[in-house]
Amino acid sequence: GNSVTQMEGPVTLSEEAFLTINCTYTATGYPSLFWYVQYPGEGLQLLLKATKADDKGSNKGFEATYRKETTSFHLEKGSVQVSDSAVYFCALGNQAGTALIFGKGTTLSVSS
Amino acid sequence: DAGVIQSPRHEVTEMGQEVTLRCKPISGHDYLFWYRQTMMRGLELLIYFNNNVPIDDSGMPEDRFSAKMPNASFSTLKIQPSEPRDSAVYFCASSPGGRGARNEQYFGPGTRLTVT
Repeated sequence: GNSVTQMEGPVTLSEEAFLTINCTYTATGYPSLFWYVQYPGEGLQLLLKATKADDKGSNKGFEATYRKETTSFHLEKGSVQVSDSAVYFCALGNQAGTALIFGKGTTLSVSS
Repeated sequence: DAGVIQSPRHEVTEMGQEVTLRCKPISGHDYLFWYRQTMMRGLELLIYFNNNVPIDDSGMPEDRFSAKMPNASFSTLKIQPSEPRDSAVYFCASSPGGRGARNEQYFGPGTRLTVT
């Protein structure tokens, strides 16, 4: 079945540093791919998504490109802020397209 | 839109008591999901519904857990009897389904359950 693996954290960066959080997947077919963010004490929020190969999802300065050849969907941001400190989850659709399969989450901590 | 609404936001109960968590999905969404999040196990899908019908309950940990969706705007997750190991944050999420927003889920703020 479909599965997703994301890098373990925590990731600790200084403000304005470049961010990469790796995510790779195993899937049958061409599922949609997602990044969700969870701020302390809150529920998960959709950050960005891509629905087919070579699509680039982007939001709030974050980007991720659906790479079919490397089965990856790495999250990047050119210059992180303290307010980006959160847990980031990579996810993909299940085969039926009815539910999401989430990675274990990566904690990002940004200091000023 | 108010988003997914969950109640209560916090629940503290004693072992052996019945606990009922409530969720109101976004109007018009066909799918509703219940998740549990703990430090040890991360985010786990417990059960999900499509058009009020349970589709996959393989994530429900044991018979003490049950979920219902009597109509399109309301769902409950019940634990009876509760145990300390049930302490977690429980999230409800809903999804519009359909090809255009396939898989996209919207999460509620969660219910933090503490069983003493």
